[in-house]
Amino acid sequence: EVRLVESGGGLVQPGGSLRLSCEASGFTFSSYWMSWVRQAPGKGLEWVANINHDGREAYYVDSVKGRFSVSRDNDKNSLYLHMNGLRVEDTAVYYCARVIISGVVIQSRWFDPWGQGTLVTVSS
Amino acid sequence: DIVLTQSPGTLSLSPGERATLSCRASQSVISSSLGWYQQKRGQAPRLLIYGGSRRATGIPDRFSGSGSGTDFTLTISRLEPEDFAVYFCQQDDSSPQITFGGGTKVEVK
Repeated sequence: EVRLVESGGGLVQPGGSLRLSCEASGFTFSSYWMSWVRQAPGKGLEWVANINHDGREAYYVDSVKGRFSVSRDNDKNSLYLHMNGLRVEDTAVYYCARVIISGVVIQSRWFDPWGQGTLVTVSS
Repeated sequence: DIVLTQSPGTLSLSPGERATLSCRASQSVISSSLGWYQQKRGQAPRLLIYGGSRRATGIPDRFSGSGSGTDFTLTISRLEPEDFAVYFCQQDDSSPQITFGGGTKVEVK
């Protein structure tokens, strides 16, 4: 069974830092792109970051560029999100998701499955 | 960025009825770059449709995706009790930037 388990969420003050972790099992972790997607309380979904198989390529939504960094450790089957300069508007449940790629010439990315999420609250 | 607008915000229907959910893109997108997710209360989202019309593993055939250009539709042919949830569309035409729609809640009438 494919399983993703996030951890590391909590309460942090504006300007603070936090590191989220996602432990993967049930599939060959090193063969897949991985992503972080967040959901503010009562709101919709927002893609945050993608990282490729070996960690050499990473992409971010504009609102977190320069503040967040995604990384992975394929030996530990783990994905990370390093968050600095946190803002009130970063408050959300952060989900880790495996990326499925469809298409050959034109590729598209989908999130399947998702972890249960970890809540990050930024407040003074 | 490509903005996805979902309508209606809430759809009130009875079990057994047909549900038609709309997702409109701010500019034309490749149909194979559009997908749909289902999220039940207190749970993580689940992939339903990818590549415009392909059902994900284990998704029943009462769910179908269609559309082209800027207008896309998720259809649930006959609502089952477990289908009452929130549905989000997602596009990857502007990769690496990926965006989601605001969601449509399907509730029991």
